Amino acid sequence: AQSVTQLGSHVSVSEGALVLLRCNYSSSVPPYLFWYVQYPNQGLQLLLKYTSAATLVKGINGFEAEFKKSETSFHLTKPSAHMSDAAEYFCAVSVPLGGGADGLTFGKGTHLIIQP
Amino acid sequence: GAVVSQHPSWVICKSGTSVKIECRSLDFQATTMFWYRQFPKQSLMLMATSNEGSKATYEQGVEKDKFLINHASLTLSTLTVTSAHPEDSSFYICSARATSGRVQETQYFGPGTRLLVL
Repeated sequence: AQSVTQLGSHVSVSEGALVLLRCNYSSSVPPYLFWYVQYPNQGLQLLLKYTSAATLVKGINGFEAEFKKSETSFHLTKPSAHMSDAAEYFCAVSVPLGGGADGLTFGKGTHLIIQP
Repeated sequence: GAVVSQHPSWVICKSGTSVKIECRSLDFQATTMFWYRQFPKQSLMLMATSNEGSKATYEQGVEKDKFLINHASLTLSTLTVTSAHPEDSSFYICSARATSGRVQETQYFGPGTRLLVL
């Protein structure tokens, strides 16, 4: 079975500062990895995904993440935080099966706070 | 593209009644849809995997007789919470995975349905 650990339930950064949200995974086979963002009372929006191609993945809204197999990590970064980035961020993992990926296993989420 | 809708977005019901939630993929066909449950300030927990034309696969601890799932077409899956009780109050989110193409590995999420059982 796979699992995801997100370090830090809350992360606070100043507007314009670097955003770093940490995600470590556990999987017995090479996984697919995802970052989703959730705004209050809304569903999840895909930020980016890793599916065994390039290890550095660029997503929407200036976010990117790097898959590091040796560290079993998939940390999310953004060079300069914007007030609109304040939201809940979820890292998720799935194990590829024939024909596509399985249901997602989510981390507990990290609430990103942007200080003006 | 890849839009998933859910209906209703909000539902309040009395204890003992049944509630049906619809999940639709609007611009793509979805062989597989997933149902998740999210409690306040917590992560999403996979409840079941719904495959078009076959029985749903439930995760351990999820009562299949209480949470009935039907995936009758490639664009519609429904979740019925039968004999709902206050402890069933939660945010229910569906996702859909396209049947083919480059987006195959991605699940696209609906906006969620908030259920409150009185």
